Amino acid sequence: GQQLNQSPQSMFIQEGEDVSMNCTSSSIFNTWLWYKQDPGEGPVLLIALYKAGELTSNGRLTAQFGITRKDSFLNISASIPSDVGIYFCAGRVNAGNMLTFGGGTRLMVKP
Amino acid sequence: NAGVTQTPKFQVLKTGQSMTLQCAQDMNHEYMSWYRQDPGMGLRLIHYSVGAGITDQGEVPNGYNVSRSTTEDFPLRLLSAAPSQTSVYFCASSSPDKLPSYGYTFGSGTRLTVV
Repeated sequence: GQQLNQSPQSMFIQEGEDVSMNCTSSSIFNTWLWYKQDPGEGPVLLIALYKAGELTSNGRLTAQFGITRKDSFLNISASIPSDVGIYFCAGRVNAGNMLTFGGGTRLMVKP
Repeated sequence: NAGVTQTPKFQVLKTGQSMTLQCAQDMNHEYMSWYRQDPGMGLRLIHYSVGAGITDQGEVPNGYNVSRSTTEDFPLRLLSAAPSQTSVYFCASSSPDKLPSYGYTFGSGTRLTVV
């Protein structure tokens, strides 16, 4: 099946810094989704991307659907303590409705 | 609007016991899925459904059964619990026609320990 490689696995940054994380695959995906998971909770959808090259923002978050359709990127600008959590990418292949998830990026923000 | 509701939130089982994890959604979503999340790992798909009466296996289906008799409910059954099934289980739903398309909404999870 498809695999998504998400990096970095963890990041420890200073409040106010910008953050970048990415997801890559050997397979082509038709949809890319980015989720955030807080401790003890289910993942919450942040951004959904549907077209190659698409760039979408949600407040301080910006995500891009890679041109090759095999990768996606998430940037967080001016991080704040409440950005702490685990960020997951997820991809959907063309003919199905199932999502494949990356392994997650654990973000820690130092005030 | 409750979204996706999972019960129970916590459960301890003895090896060999069976149980059903409940999942209900009130968004009239066609698609529903069950995932498990193990420590430090991403989510792995157990079973999924594209509509009432239709289910299929995901990546890790062994030891689990599902049924979808209504659009709203998608219970997950553990047939004979094993310690390897200790995990956090998430139910999720989505629709191809409601924005965001295919953007699954997740429940808050069931934390299962098998001893």
